[in-house]
Parts: sequence; structure tokens; C-alpha cells
Amino acid sequence: EDQVTQSPEALRLQEGESSSLNCSYTVSGLRGLFWYRQDPGKGPEFLFTLYSAGEEKEKERLKATLTKKESFLHITAPKPEDSATYLCAVQDFGNEKLTFGTGTRLTIIP
Amino acid sequence: NAGVTQTPKFQVLKTGQSMTLQCAQDMNHEYMSWYRQDPGMGLRLIHYSVGAGITDQGEVPNGYNVSRSTTEDFPLRLLSAAPSQTSVYFCASSYGGPGQPQHFGDGTRLSIL
Repeated sequence: EDQVTQSPEALRLQEGESSSLNCSYTVSGLRGLFWYRQDPGKGPEFLFTLYSAGEEKEKERLKATLTKKESFLHITAPKPEDSATYLCAVQDFGNEKLTFGTGTRLTIIP
Repeated sequence: NAGVTQTPKFQVLKTGQSMTLQCAQDMNHEYMSWYRQDPGMGLRLIHYSVGAGITDQGEVPNGYNVSRSTTEDFPLRLLSAAPSQTSVYFCASSYGGPGQPQHFGDGTRLSIL
């Protein structure tokens, strides 16, 4: 069974203080790993898809990387508007569903 | 362009009542799905559909029914509400399946007393 574990559960950073969020996964065959952002009271919003180890994707202050066992979401010089819960999900080959982690709640303090 | 629209936004039910959560998308997406989100559990797939007339069960389908008579609409029915179904429900759609970017609605917050 696919498993996704995200750490830490919560992270508080000062504005401008860079850090990384972790997503560890277990699948029989990775078809894709996905990062979503979720603001309070809203549905998740798609950020990135990663398909193979070594792949990297960037968007503004966010960079996602992938290894065979985990993915990192690096946030560089964050701003208060980056505060949100970040969700990681995986899709296994031959599986028409996503398995989500429980998320990391990120708070950026001005 | 409305995207994915869920109604109602909030609902309180009594145990044993039935209701339908509505989901509509205007992007002509073939793939639609329903998730529930509970504290500490992450998003869990309830049912999904790969096109009109085709539905399948996800991870936690018990107590829920779905149908897909049109591409646009994918309602979720609670047959006899139970307190364990208190949750936030999200509908999502995408062009080509779960491996494509999912467009989520803003959720329905459901409380079962």
C-alpha cells in the first residue's frame, strides 16, 4: 500500500529565513509525485509534478526536488504570503488515485 | 470561468438523514473525484469517475454513493448520515486523470449530530 509521510507537521519561520519541507514516500512504482498548497478554508492548489529521481521544479520562492525515497520542497527567503499548508501526494503505476500526506503547516512571521 | 463549484459550503445533519453534496465543473474535465479531509488523516479518496457513466470506488467508499450522468456534474450522496462522516469534503477535477494537476473546489463542511 502506498504511504506518504510529511515532516515537520508545523514550521514557523521568520520572513527571509529559508528552510525545507520533507515528503517521504513508499510506492511499488512511482508514476508521479505532486505538491499542493492549501490555504485555510480553501481547496488545495496545484504547485508541481515530479516524475523521476533527480528532477527539480521551481516556482518563485519554491523549489521541489525528488529522490527515490523522498521529495523536498525548498522555500527561499519566504514571505508572509507563503504561509499555508503544503501537501504532498503520490500516484502509483496502474492506480487511478492519489495518496496524500497529512501536510506541513508553514507560518512565516513578518 | 468558475472552475470547480461545490454546494453547499456548510451543512449540519442529524444522524440518519440523507443529503447530496453537489459538485460542478466548467472545464470539460473527464476525471472527477471526491475526497474527505480529516485532522491528522490527510485527504482520502471516496469515489472517482473517469468520464460520464463511469464511476469507481476509492479508499473510503462505504456510506457514500455517486453517479456521473454528465461531464460537468458529480454529486456525492450520503445515504444515512453517521457522526463518523463529519468532515470537510472536496471535489476535484482534471483533464487526464489523477496524474494531471487537480482543480479542487473550496469544500463542503459537514457536521453530523
